[in-house]
Amino acid sequence: GAGVSQTPSNKVTEKGKYVELRCDPISGHTALYWYRQSLGQGPEFLIYFQGTGAADDSGLPNDRFFAVRPEGSVSTLKIQRTERGDSAVYLCASSPGLGLSYNEQFFGPGTRLTVL
Amino acid sequence: GQQLNQSPQSMFIQEGEDVSMNCTSSSIFNTWLWYKQDPGEGPVLLIALYKAGELTSNGRLTAQFGITRKDSFLNISASIPSDVGIYFCAGVNAGKSTFGDGTTLTVKP
Repeated sequence: GAGVSQTPSNKVTEKGKYVELRCDPISGHTALYWYRQSLGQGPEFLIYFQGTGAADDSGLPNDRFFAVRPEGSVSTLKIQRTERGDSAVYLCASSPGLGLSYNEQFFGPGTRLTVL
Repeated sequence: GQQLNQSPQSMFIQEGEDVSMNCTSSSIFNTWLWYKQDPGEGPVLLIALYKAGELTSNGRLTAQFGITRKDSFLNISASIPSDVGIYFCAGVNAGKSTFGDGTTLTVKP
């Protein structure tokens, strides 16, 4: 079956621009997660959705970052007024959200964001 | 905040050798996850641990969840070249995951 997909795979933008990153989770997974990964580090938690609602957005670094999941499936991570420090790989993951394997997260390939 | 200390940072081993890596935290986690990440790809889940003291195997991989829920180890037996990659541990509480900074494994044929 299809895994988690993310688009675009690469995004180059200029400082100050707005970007949107998309995540398509595994069908039927109720939980969806966004992470940011810098070179040489582990993924850093940004936000976690259970269904349509953000269950925990404590990892969003500031109010330039926002994420939505309006129908409980596809999610979009939005970054306003991008800064060079936002450059990283943005990873999305999904999990069943319930049952014995509720926390087993499956990752997409990521979107590499470069802010010039 | 919560932090995971993962060690060693890197390992260079000969094909066929066994490998052990571990993760410790000052915080308690409900779930521990072990992942492998190859360059340019997302992490791939290897093993999930839900109960304190739980010992779980997946082929040549064995992982254990510490009794105190503050640590875990991952063993790889009889390493092969495709085991090369970065291994991450992650502790999960209420859906929020905290990752270690990884152990980079190099396997020499």
